[in-house]
Amino acid sequence: SQKIEQNSEALNIQEGKTATLTCNYTNYSPAYLQWYRQDPGRGPVFLLLIRENEKEKRKERLKVTFDTTLKQSLFHITASQPADSATYLCALDPSGSARQLTFGSGTQLTVLP
Amino acid sequence: NAGVTQTPKFRILKIGQSMTLQCAQDMNHNYMYWYRQDPGMGLKLIYYSVGAGITDKGEVPNGYNVSRSTTEDFPLRLELAAPSQTSVYFCASLGGLGNEKLFFGSGTQLSVL
Repeated sequence: SQKIEQNSEALNIQEGKTATLTCNYTNYSPAYLQWYRQDPGRGPVFLLLIRENEKEKRKERLKVTFDTTLKQSLFHITASQPADSATYLCALDPSGSARQLTFGSGTQLTVLP
Repeated sequence: NAGVTQTPKFRILKIGQSMTLQCAQDMNHNYMYWYRQDPGMGLKLIYYSVGAGITDKGEVPNGYNVSRSTTEDFPLRLELAAPSQTSVYFCASLGGLGNEKLFFGSGTQLSVL
């Protein structure tokens, strides 16, 4: 069966360190993968999209990698801040048609001051 | 620019009651989605629409109905509410191929007692 797994339910790191979140998938061949941030009581907010032919994407302190051989995406936040504390969700689109995005269950990141 | 607007924010239903969750977007997006999110779980797709007059089932459609009479509105109908429908419901929209990021509403927290 198709599955998306995010490495852990919760991750605590010290302010200033790099946070690394993992998204693994099985039995998918996604055209692209996305990362979203969700704060308590709010809807998810889009952060980054990486396509199957891209190895790495950056946006300010965020970096995403996409390894279609390992079937894995890594999401990095460098120089983390307490304001980065949130739940981060990965989502993928198997078909590339944008019709049915499938989400992982998320990783709750806490950045400790 | 309001984006995606959902109403109501909170609702308590008794078993067997019906209600409609409203969703409207002002970005002229063709694609719209309804997701539910249970604690510790990822977003599960209920229904989606690729344009006015076109709807299709997602992963968990049982107990729900949708309609799409206009580009802007995509209401979700719950008939004969059951405790299993207690969840947070999110509506989202997407511009289409080449613009594959989802814009989410702020959610509706529904309890069925």
